[in-house]
Amino acid sequence: NAGVTQTPKFQVLKTGQSMTLQCAQDMNHEYMSWYRQDPGMGLRLIHYSVGAGITDQGEVPNGYNVSRSTTEDFPLRLLSAAPSQTSVYFCASSKGQKVLNTEAFFGQGTRLTVV
Amino acid sequence: EDQVTQSPEALRLQEGESSSLNCSYTVSGLRGLFWYRQDPGKGPEFLFTLYSAGEEKEKERLKATLTKKESFLHITAPKPEDSATYLCAVQGGANSKLTFGKGITLSVRP
Repeated sequence: NAGVTQTPKFQVLKTGQSMTLQCAQDMNHEYMSWYRQDPGMGLRLIHYSVGAGITDQGEVPNGYNVSRSTTEDFPLRLLSAAPSQTSVYFCASSKGQKVLNTEAFFGQGTRLTVV
Repeated sequence: EDQVTQSPEALRLQEGESSSLNCSYTVSGLRGLFWYRQDPGKGPEFLFTLYSAGEEKEKERLKATLTKKESFLHITAPKPEDSATYLCAVQGGANSKLTFGKGITLSVRP
């Protein structure tokens, strides 16, 4: 049982490049989400999904796309990287809104630098 | 809009010196308040969930309490290995979205 797995751990992009951050969970969780963490800003929600085929925007969605074709995977796409997207990205999953014990489990993070 | 404020931003303690971390919140229909621990270069690690005012939970040297407006994370006789950033988050309404505070960085000196 690996929990939430994110790849890659580190990435350097040039401005304008695109890439996909991968996230997979093996806990059969309905709810998955992406956060970015910046110094002095805390964790901010980018996009989230309440189940396969359903996604919605969070607090800071601009410049990012997501899709959820399976329960296990929730990739985050950067369409055209900008220096403002330099951050640490975390993927999280939880059982979902219909049950108690909805604590989120986080991946180890992807540290992205855009130059 | 849900809001979470944590204080102080940073706290330095001597080993064995007990203290408390504060999390003030406003939320529409609290479904849960969560405490996480985050070590440098790692993802947040779940500590506690509190659901209603008056509830308390304990784990080793940590004890979390909840009122209608705030939560406290009490640390009794801390050790250097308790050094980390402690995050508070709330979940409100009918969805699973979490709103996080900015965290409290705790340093415990031997």
